[in-house]
Amino acid sequence: DTEVTQTPKHLVMGMTNKKSLKCEQHMGHRAMYWYKQKAKKPPELMFVYSYEKLSINESVPSRFSPECPNSSLLNLHLHALQPEDSALYLCASSQVSGGAFFGQGTRLTVV
Amino acid sequence: TQLLEQSPQFLSIQEGENLTVYCNSSSVFSSLQWYRQEPGEGPVLLVTVVTGGEVKKLKRLTFQFGDARKDSSLHITAAQPGDTGLYLCAGARTGGFKTIFGAGTRLFVKA
Repeated sequence: DTEVTQTPKHLVMGMTNKKSLKCEQHMGHRAMYWYKQKAKKPPELMFVYSYEKLSINESVPSRFSPECPNSSLLNLHLHALQPEDSALYLCASSQVSGGAFFGQGTRLTVV
Repeated sequence: TQLLEQSPQFLSIQEGENLTVYCNSSSVFSSLQWYRQEPGEGPVLLVTVVTGGEVKKLKRLTFQFGDARKDSSLHITAAQPGDTGLYLCAGARTGGFKTIFGAGTRLFVKA
């Protein structure tokens, strides 16, 4: 199984809503990532979890809150987002070193 | 700040032509990856290179890591319309999870 599964695929939310993005992998990878990608731009790193501990937070606003319940799951909790937060949110996983496997992403629209 | 500069940014060629995409930096990377991304989907890992001077082949794609581990190239032989997509290079420094992406090369292969 070389898949990273993200749900939902599409999400439309209001600025006062609370929602969560979910990510799952069963490759035994101990590093998991959240990236944000705007149109025609490369992915931008948001958070990295290593061995279920947050190791990198790229100065992401607190309206984005990551959570790693176990080594296979990664969540991104969203609250009070702004329209400019609309983007493709990508989850990825990797061995401690090496290339990452990405999910298909969640297309988020904030209205 | 470590930057990965990709060139060219956009390439439109005829089926059957050869092409090379470059990824350059002033920083040394412990590993470098190449990804291909289709619109609205997550990047797909093509290759990871870790040793200076390393050359890897994937069918018609040849990847090279520079001797000093600061640059890489992707060469496609006899391009096909199915090669159309966004090609991204990404690198991480030794012992780090902070992967940075180049801006990408958008390739369009005309039949």
